[in-house]
Amino acid sequence: SAVISQKPSRDICQRGTSLTIQCQVDSQVTMMFWYRQQPGQSLTLIATANQGSEATYESGFVIDKFPISRPNLTFSTLTVSNMSPEDSSIYLCSVSDGYNEQFFGPGTRLTVL
Amino acid sequence: KQEVTQIPAALSVPEGENLVLNCSFTDSAIYNLQWFRQDPGKGLTSLLLIQSSQREQTSGRLNASLDKSSGRSTLYIAASQPGDSATYLCAVTKGWDSGGSNYKLTFGKGTLLTVNP
Repeated sequence: SAVISQKPSRDICQRGTSLTIQCQVDSQVTMMFWYRQQPGQSLTLIATANQGSEATYESGFVIDKFPISRPNLTFSTLTVSNMSPEDSSIYLCSVSDGYNEQFFGPGTRLTVL
Repeated sequence: KQEVTQIPAALSVPEGENLVLNCSFTDSAIYNLQWFRQDPGKGLTSLLLIQSSQREQTSGRLNASLDKSSGRSTLYIAASQPGDSATYLCAVTKGWDSGGSNYKLTFGKGTLLTVNP
């Protein structure tokens, strides 16, 4: 299984600012995903991070709010832009080699004041 | 739209008991089903993956079954231990023919398990 790290592990941010979350994998993977887990809720997919092209966003999520980069097969970033308290969540990166098991990073706990 | 339901929402058992967690999904056209464990404030740990063509998977004290036609899966935990206390999440991926985000995991809300010493 892949080993996934995320930075930062947690942060407290002010309303209106932006935060970039990094996801690093210890091996090359085909698929990388970003999920959000709001307090007391289950996980919701934000977007699929595509290497060499724009991310594919799920309904209800837009690039201006959640820009994503994927410069290579082991790294991706998610930016949460112009934050509001409603963005307070755990953000998780996951990876897959295709139609197989998905593995998750430890998550980034974001609190917006 | 795929919906995943997990019952019960919370479960408290004494140590040593065998237990079953339930997961149901509305669209039987899935590619696979995965069970995860989430400790408080942490990421997810993959427990078991069942492909749509399989009926069950086993890992140690865990056994997961899949009845795709009825849209159900169960996670059986034998001889529970306090260290098993966590939230257990069930998630499914779309079938290949569905198009769109075929790799997308659709999650249930989880079952919060507490195993008391």
